[in-house]
Amino acid sequence: AQSVTQPDIHITVSEGASLELRCNYSYGATPYLFWYVQSPGQGLQLLLKYFSGDTLVQGIKGFEAEFKRSQSSFNLRKPSVHWSDAAEYFCAVGANSGYALNFGKGTSLLVTP
Amino acid sequence: DTAVSQTPKYLVTQMGNDKSIKCEQNLGHDTMYWYKQDSKKFLKIMFSYNNKELIINETVPNRFSPKSPDKAHLNLHINSLELGDSAVYFCASSRQPGQGQPQHFGDGTRLSIL
Repeated sequence: AQSVTQPDIHITVSEGASLELRCNYSYGATPYLFWYVQSPGQGLQLLLKYFSGDTLVQGIKGFEAEFKRSQSSFNLRKPSVHWSDAAEYFCAVGANSGYALNFGKGTSLLVTP
Repeated sequence: DTAVSQTPKYLVTQMGNDKSIKCEQNLGHDTMYWYKQDSKKFLKIMFSYNNKELIINETVPNRFSPKSPDKAHLNLHINSLELGDSAVYFCASSRQPGQGQPQHFGDGTRLSIL
């Protein structure tokens, strides 16, 4: 079954520092991959997605992610983190012919001054 | 101009009661979903509907019954609520799955069972 693993439960970075959140997927074919962000008390907002083409995808809020088939990874990056980026980040893979998303367990990002 | 809206935002009720959560999307999407987020923030698919037809029922107890009166609405009715039903329930919608269509989520309904 299609699944994703987010190895880091919590990450703390200083404001202005770079960020990388890890995501590994398990899927036989080329997966549909997504990163979502959830701020406290809010729903999930799509940051970016990958399903084919250029392996480096750009998203909203200055985020990007790189699909690496050889490593089964889809890591999220941002060159300079802002305090407003503190949130829960979820990696997800399309499953059941696209009629579901299988989510990782999330990474909680804390941004320190 | 809310894309996916759920009501109510908070629902506090007692064990054994029956409750409903409503979801509406104004994006013109064909497919709608219900997800459950548990206390550890893990998100799991419950149901998927496409053009009002049930596509996925992910081993959810029969006490949960989704209803889709039209493509823009997918309501969730829960009978005989149990303590373990306490969670945040998210509605989502998308175009027809395929080609990596993203899902758009509502703000969630936080259900607390006393």
